[in-house]
Amino acid sequence: EVQLVESGGGLVQPGRSLRLSCAASGFTFDDYAMHWVRQAPGKGLEWVSGISWNSRNIGYADSVRGRFTISRDNAKNSLFLQMNSLRAEDTALYYCARPNDYGDFNALDIWGQGTMVAVSS
Amino acid sequence: EIVLTQSPGTLSLSPGERATLSCRASQSVSSSNLAWYQQKPGQAPRLLIYGASSRATGIPDRFSGSGSGTDFTLTISRLEPEDFAVYYCQQYGSSPKTFGQGTKLEIK
Repeated sequence: EVQLVESGGGLVQPGRSLRLSCAASGFTFDDYAMHWVRQAPGKGLEWVSGISWNSRNIGYADSVRGRFTISRDNAKNSLFLQMNSLRAEDTALYYCARPNDYGDFNALDIWGQGTMVAVSS
Repeated sequence: EIVLTQSPGTLSLSPGERATLSCRASQSVSSSNLAWYQQKPGQAPRLLIYGASSRATGIPDRFSGSGSGTDFTLTISRLEPEDFAVYYCQQYGSSPKTFGQGTKLEIK
């Protein structure tokens, strides 16, 4: 079964850091680009960041560029999101998602259940 | 950054009716790299349509997508009770891969 399982969320104070992880199984992880998408409570979806299969192509939303870093470990079938200088507006459910095909320009057809990040003093 | 504007914000219809959802982009979406997702409360999004008009695996044929350039449409030909949810469009042809703000499809 194809599966993505996020972890690492929690309550953190403004200005602090958090590292999210996504464990992939059931498919050849290093065949696919991977993405993070977030959803603030009661709000819509926001694409956060994406990384190509070989980590050469990386993109970020303007709202997180310079504070968040995406990375992957293909040997461990894992995706990461290092989040620094966290703000209240980063409070959201963070989803890990896999595209429906190889390459850097594809829709997202496999989603995890998300990990919640709450930024508050 | 490509901004996607979805309309209407809320659509109230009855089961059996036809639903038409719109997604307009601030600039042309390259190679029709546009997707539609359905999200129900407490669930992750589900891919419905990719490439503007291709149905994802397992999606019923009452869902169809159309459009190109800056104007895209998701049509649900005959609403079933399970179709009432929030729908998002997303462009993935350029970074950042932005989402629309969503259309809530509710039971009238």
